[in-house]
Amino acid sequence: TQLLEQSPQFLSIQEGENLTVYCNSSSVFSSLQWYRQEPGEGPVLLVTVVTGGEVKKLKRLTFQFGDARKDSSLHITAAQPGDTGLYLCAAKSTGGGNKLTFGTGTQLKVEL
Amino acid sequence: NAGVTQTPKFQVLKTGQSMTLQCAQDMNHEYMSWYRQDPGMGLRLIHYSVGAGITDQGEVPNGYNVSRSTTEDFPLRLLSAAPSQTSVYFCASSYRGSTEAFFGQGTRLTVV
Repeated sequence: TQLLEQSPQFLSIQEGENLTVYCNSSSVFSSLQWYRQEPGEGPVLLVTVVTGGEVKKLKRLTFQFGDARKDSSLHITAAQPGDTGLYLCAAKSTGGGNKLTFGTGTQLKVEL
Repeated sequence: NAGVTQTPKFQVLKTGQSMTLQCAQDMNHEYMSWYRQDPGMGLRLIHYSVGAGITDQGEVPNGYNVSRSTTEDFPLRLLSAAPSQTSVYFCASSYRGSTEAFFGQGTRLTVV
C-alpha cells in the first residue's frame, strides 16, 4: 500500500501569514493532486501536478512536485480566513485505473 | 447539473442493523468509488467500479457490499453495522483515465 504522509497535521495561523504544507512518500507517482475540503462538504480538486519539478500557481497558492516525483508541497502566501479547511494530497494508486490514495490531511485554521 | 448526490446526509444505526447509502451522479462518469474518512487518516477506499456491472475491492472492503447496475448509481450496503463503521462516507466519480474525482457531500454515519 502506498502511503502519503502530510505535515503538519494541524496548523493555526493569523491572517496575512505564509505557510507550507508537505506531502511525502517513499513511492514514485505519475501525478499528484491537492484537494481542499470545507466542513460538511466533499473534497474539491485544486490542482494536479504531473512533471517532476513542476510548479503551479493558483492565485496565492503555489504547488510544487518534487524532482523525483515522491513529494509535493503547497505554499500559501498571505493566508486569509477563507483558506481555512482540510488540505489533502492524493496520488494515483498502482495497479492502474482511477484509484486514488489520499494523504493524512492538514487541517488549516486562519484567524483574523 | 447536480454532480454527485449522496443520501442520507446523516444516519444513526444500532449495532447489527443494515442499511444502504445511496450515491448518484449525472455526469456520465464511468468510474465511481466509495471512501470513508476518519480523523487523522485521510480518505480510505472501500470499493470502486470502472463501469456498470464491474466492481472491485479497495483498501478497507470488509463489512461493505456494492453493486453497479447502471452508470448513474453506486449504492453502498452495510450488512451488519458495527461501531467501527462510524465514519463519514464519501462517494466520488470520474471519467475513465482522469484522476480528477468529483465528490458528494458525504454521509455521516454513527453506529451505536
